[in-house]
Amino acid sequence: AQTVTQSQPEMSVQEAETVTLSCTYDTSESNYYLFWYKQPPSRQMILVIRQEAYKQQNATENRFSVNFQKAAKSFSLKISDSQLGDTAMYFCAFMKPPSGQNFVFGPGTRLSVLP
Amino acid sequence: NAGVTQTPKFQVLKTGQSMTLQCAQDMNHEYMSWYRQDPGMGLRLIHYSVGAGITDQGEVPNGYNVSRSTTEDFPLRLLSAAPSQTSVYFCASARGGANLNTEAFFGQGTRLTVV
Repeated sequence: AQTVTQSQPEMSVQEAETVTLSCTYDTSESNYYLFWYKQPPSRQMILVIRQEAYKQQNATENRFSVNFQKAAKSFSLKISDSQLGDTAMYFCAFMKPPSGQNFVFGPGTRLSVLP
Repeated sequence: NAGVTQTPKFQVLKTGQSMTLQCAQDMNHEYMSWYRQDPGMGLRLIHYSVGAGITDQGEVPNGYNVSRSTTEDFPLRLLSAAPSQTSVYFCASARGGANLNTEAFFGQGTRLTVV
């Protein structure tokens, strides 16, 4: 079974600075997808970024980028120019075809952006 | 466009009571699923469905039933609520099919407390 580990339960960063959230996963599969989801206090789950395992290029979405190290099974999220609105719980998630759209989530990292 | 709608948003049950959490999506998505979110554990898959009339168990199915009589609706039933089922419940939907490069959409969640 796949497992996802996020070793940082809580982190904080000053506004405008850069922060990196860590995620490691365990799988014997070669084809899979990795995701970062953001959950603000509203509870809504918001997709931040997605990475396909067969793509070597790291995904980027505006201020959010990932460092995908397939051999090390590592998938960290870097948030640049942190904003107060980035304060949220962040979940790393794994999905393996052909399981449909079933996610395996990590336990989450609570990020606080300080003014 | 309503997306994924969950009702109710909050519920308090007494031990042994039954109830149904409702989930409806208006995007004609084939795939729907239910997760529960507990502190320090992320989201865990309860049940999922790849289409009308087809359901399957996820990681933590005990104590929950589901059915999928229409594409739009995927209710989650608690037959005899227990305090261990106190959690936040999320419904999700996705286009499904062979192409997994699609985004999953989550409802706003239901906070359930069993006393």
